[in-house]
Amino acid sequence: SQTIHQWPATLVQPVGSPLSLECTVEGTSNPNLYWYRQAAGRGLQLLFYSVGIGQISSEVPQNLSASRPQDRQFILSSKKLLLSDSGFYLCAWRLKGSQAEQFFGPGTRLTVL
Amino acid sequence: QKEVEQDPGPLSVPEGAIVSLNCTYSNSAFQYFMWYRQYSRKGPELLMYTYSSGNKEDGRFTAQVDKSSKYISLFIRDSQPSDSATYLCAMSANQGAQKLVFGQGTRLTINP
Repeated sequence: SQTIHQWPATLVQPVGSPLSLECTVEGTSNPNLYWYRQAAGRGLQLLFYSVGIGQISSEVPQNLSASRPQDRQFILSSKKLLLSDSGFYLCAWRLKGSQAEQFFGPGTRLTVL
Repeated sequence: QKEVEQDPGPLSVPEGAIVSLNCTYSNSAFQYFMWYRQYSRKGPELLMYTYSSGNKEDGRFTAQVDKSSKYISLFIRDSQPSDSATYLCAMSANQGAQKLVFGQGTRLTINP
């Protein structure tokens, strides 16, 4: 069966510091991978998605970047965090050839102070 | 106008009641419709998935899609306190990376 991991689970960072959040998927190959951000009391905003190694599509202009160095690894980064980067970051995967359902990881709660 | 509209609630009902959760959408290209359940401080969990119009039932949960009205619903029968969570609708067109568009989520509380 497939599992998805995210770490760290929680993170408190000062404004201006760098960020690296990691997501890994087990039990599948060549998945589509997605990064979402969820602000308090709001729905999910798609930030980036990837259909393969090194292939990243950005959905909204922002202070973040994403990379996919390995098939089942997806990384979200920032060089300098802003207060507005605070939120709940969720990674998701989808099996190619399936229909549209995506499966989410446990999330990382980021607080920028 | 948002592509997907969902009443954020909160919605509070007594245990055993039938719960109705709804979303409307504007993009007629949407063909895949999902409901996710999200407990506090956890990732969303896929609850129901429907393709195109019609009904789908899974235990106490029923999902309905009315594409002509651009309206989807999730019904929960015999609601339990463990059903207390935020419910998110999501939908996708049959294109490329199958990006999901989410509603804001409805916060539901089932009172014992």
